Amino acid sequence: GNSVTQMEGPVTLSEEAFLTINCTYTATGYPSLFWYVQYPGEGLQLLLKATKADDKGSNKGFEATYRKETTSFHLEKGSVQVSDSAVYFCALDKAAGNKLTFGGGTRVLVKP
Amino acid sequence: EPEVTQTPSHQVTQMGQEVILRCVPISNHLYFYWYRQILGQKVEFLVSFYNNEISEKSEIFDDQFSVERPDGSNFTLKIRSTKLEDSAMYFCASRGEYEQYFGPGTRLTVT
Repeated sequence: GNSVTQMEGPVTLSEEAFLTINCTYTATGYPSLFWYVQYPGEGLQLLLKATKADDKGSNKGFEATYRKETTSFHLEKGSVQVSDSAVYFCALDKAAGNKLTFGGGTRVLVKP
Repeated sequence: EPEVTQTPSHQVTQMGQEVILRCVPISNHLYFYWYRQILGQKVEFLVSFYNNEISEKSEIFDDQFSVERPDGSNFTLKIRSTKLEDSAMYFCASRGEYEQYFGPGTRLTVT
C-alpha cells in the first residue's frame, strides 16, 4: 500500500536558520504530493503541492521538489521565522478523489 | 475565500452515546472526506464520499460509523455508540481540482 515517511521531530531552530524536513514515499504510479501545516490549536492548511515529477511547489518561502528517482518531496525554507513554528505533514494521493495518506508529522519550533 | 466549516468545535459525550459531527464543504466540490487525529498522532483517513455514496473507507470506519449528505450543503459523520478510543480531532475535507481543503476540526472527547 501507499505510505509516507517523515523525519521525526521535534526540530528546534533559531530564527533565520535554514529548515529541511525530509519526506519519502512509497506508492505505485504517479501520486500527487502535498505539504500541510498545522499551527497550534488549528486545523490542517495546505502549504504547497506538486502533481508530477520534477514539479516544484512553493508558498510562503517554502519549497519542495517532486523527485521520482528518489521518491522524495523534502520541504525547505531558507530563513525561518518564529511564526513558522507548527507541525508539518507530508501527504500523497494516488489519483483524483482518492484519500490522502499522511506521514507522521514533524514538529518545528523556531526560537527567537 | 470559500472554506470548509465544521460544527461543533468541541463535543463532550459519555461513552455509549451517539454523536453527529457536522461539516459544510466548499460548495462546488464533489468529493468529501472525514479524517481523524488522535492527540499527538498522525492524521488517519476514515471515509470518502462521492456521488452520494461511500467511495472508500478505512478499517477504522466500522459499523459504528456512518456518513450522510442530508441536503445539498451538509456532510455529517455519525458515531452510534462512542467509545473512549473515539476521542480525537475529526477533520472534514472537500476536494477541488488537485487538493483537499480541510475544516478546522471538531474535538471529540468521550468520557
